[in-house]
Amino acid sequence: DTGVSQDPRHKITKRGQNVTFRCDPISEHNRLYWYRQTLGQGPEFLTYFQNEAQLEKSRLLSDRFSAERPKGSFSTLEIQRTEQGDSAMYLCASSLAQNEKLFFGSGTQLSVL
Amino acid sequence: GENVEQHPSTLSVQEGDSAVIKCTYSDSASNYFPWYKQELGKRPQLIIDIRSNVGEKKDQRIAVTLNKTAKHFSLHITETQPEDSAVYFCAASMDSSYKLIFGSGTRLLVRP
Repeated sequence: DTGVSQDPRHKITKRGQNVTFRCDPISEHNRLYWYRQTLGQGPEFLTYFQNEAQLEKSRLLSDRFSAERPKGSFSTLEIQRTEQGDSAMYLCASSLAQNEKLFFGSGTQLSVL
Repeated sequence: GENVEQHPSTLSVQEGDSAVIKCTYSDSASNYFPWYKQELGKRPQLIIDIRSNVGEKKDQRIAVTLNKTAKHFSLHITETQPEDSAVYFCAASMDSSYKLIFGSGTRLLVRP
């Protein structure tokens, strides 16, 4: 499968625990995005990488969220001290260049109990 | 920042009829407008996109129109089929920004 892959598909955790998600973009894509989607809403931008550089982070993203892309390939998104409001689908996407087609992964569904 | 409004939130049509979904954007600098289709439990998939240097683009039964003056763009699906049933999202971005801003989605139901 040469598409964007995300792991895990589902994550159930207790409030206060830390979670980490992984995204593997399409191999030749140098741009990687994280979005969050709640039921009945469109994807909401969280952060963006060009190669290994994190170029933008949403003001909506609290300090509990951190993302990395250490070698410009896969990326991780960590949420510390999870809260029930963090429950959502976390989508990763990649593209070859700016304003080029964004390809999404299947997402990680997070449930915080 | 950019804001994208989408309507209607739900749309039910008879198989074979046309469906139209409309979006408006706030930032006149936006110049890229994709449309995504998301089936239940699946990833959003790009179905068509348009750039601000053209007013209309077609791909088989799907077309998108753009009115830069009014800052709105629309998705048109003709001869709808039950497999067109899904949630459709519009989005907008600009050269100076890296991110797509999405509308809130339209749930399309095509009745057989």
